[in-house]
Amino acid sequence: DVKVTQSSRYLVKRTGEKVFLECVQDMDHENMFWYRQDPGLGLRLIYFSYDVKMKEKGDIPEGYSVSREKKERFSLILESASTNQTSMYLCAIETGAGNEQFFGPGTRLTVL
Amino acid sequence: QKEVEQNSGPLSVPEGAIASLNCTYSDRGSQSFFWYRQYSGKSPELIMSIYSNGDKEDGRFTAQLNKASQYVSLLIRDSQPSDSATYLCAVTNRDTDKLIFGTGTRLQVFP
Repeated sequence: DVKVTQSSRYLVKRTGEKVFLECVQDMDHENMFWYRQDPGLGLRLIYFSYDVKMKEKGDIPEGYSVSREKKERFSLILESASTNQTSMYLCAIETGAGNEQFFGPGTRLTVL
Repeated sequence: QKEVEQNSGPLSVPEGAIASLNCTYSDRGSQSFFWYRQYSGKSPELIMSIYSNGDKEDGRFTAQLNKASQYVSLLIRDSQPSDSATYLCAVTNRDTDKLIFGTGTRLQVFP
């Protein structure tokens, strides 16, 4: 079974803070993704990575950066958190079998 | 026009009935199609993948794909209250190979 873990289920931060969200997989999958999910807007792709040290912008990369120093770990960074970044953040891995993606449990981030 | 469209619902069905969830997409070149189930406060869970025209059955779930009509559906037979959730349709973008998600249909199964 695919296992994807995320560092926190709930997180509360203040405006301007630097925020790190971490995602870890226990298999050797190359493709990893960060999404945010907001009511009425669905899932939107922030960044993705096809391999170590590789990163590609998704549809809404502004205000975010990512890091992938090891294959199993993909981090999402909010350089200076803002209230409009309050959201559910979801990490996913792609198994390579027909683009199937599997999600971690999610982090609900609130920025005050 | 949204790339992947779903009726937001709620779709209410009685226990034991068939629930029919529908999704249309705009990219005629899409090749892969997925249904995810998402319980409130939880992350999406992949329940069905379909890649070719026709029906694909897995237990109480049947996915139906019609590429000519750009339409994919999910049927849930013998619906149970535990099936109450939001169902997300996802389709690959032909150019980027990335998944495009619909905003989901909320299903309510009442006893």
